Amino acid sequence: ETGVTQTPRHLVMGMTNKKSLKCEQHLGHNAMYWYKQSAKKPLELMFVYNFKEQTENNSVPSRFSPECPNSSHLFLHLHTLQPEDSALYLCASSQYTGTEAFFGQGTRLTVV
Amino acid sequence: LAKTTQPISMDSYEGQEVNITCSHNNIATNDYITWYQQFPSQGPRFIIQGYKTKVTNEVASLFIPADRKSSTLSLPRVSLSDTAVYYCLVGDRRVDSNYQLIWGAGTKLIIKP
Repeated sequence: ETGVTQTPRHLVMGMTNKKSLKCEQHLGHNAMYWYKQSAKKPLELMFVYNFKEQTENNSVPSRFSPECPNSSHLFLHLHTLQPEDSALYLCASSQYTGTEAFFGQGTRLTVV
Repeated sequence: LAKTTQPISMDSYEGQEVNITCSHNNIATNDYITWYQQFPSQGPRFIIQGYKTKVTNEVASLFIPADRKSSTLSLPRVSLSDTAVYYCLVGDRRVDSNYQLIWGAGTKLIIKP
């Protein structure tokens, strides 16, 4: 138990669906992240929020839309995804960017 | 592009000490060195972080030479449950830093009975 909770743990969605991934932390951290991990690939940083402000968007397609309503919650809104978007999506938080990150268990997403 | 280079895989046996070396030739003055462990289908877990010389905690030691261009993660008396992927990262941990950690492929460590 890392203190970072992601829901759902598993998600299967069609290419025309709209869904959202949720991440919650009550560690008092100021930075939150979304990562994508495809099979046999390194973690890819998607989005970073530092003090609730988005500070990084690593050329992520617009079909992925993050939302950070407060310092404890982070969402990833998904719409019109492609099969190649199937992956493990990981949320993490840290006191500040670059300090020890705590990861959630991830959401295993399958796009059919 | 990841700022670190580490072996793709390593094998060892239960009860042995395992040392995984990471190269980071372009480490910056404000960068810290951090190691994570990841099991399949789980998020990475922080192991240890250091800036120079030696850091030790309850699970590992981190050795950093004076030039800081490399570091070695040492796992004492490994067990089968230490089979995982180990990542070495460098990054600036200052409060106002905008630098983001870049993850490489990591080292897949396999522990045999």
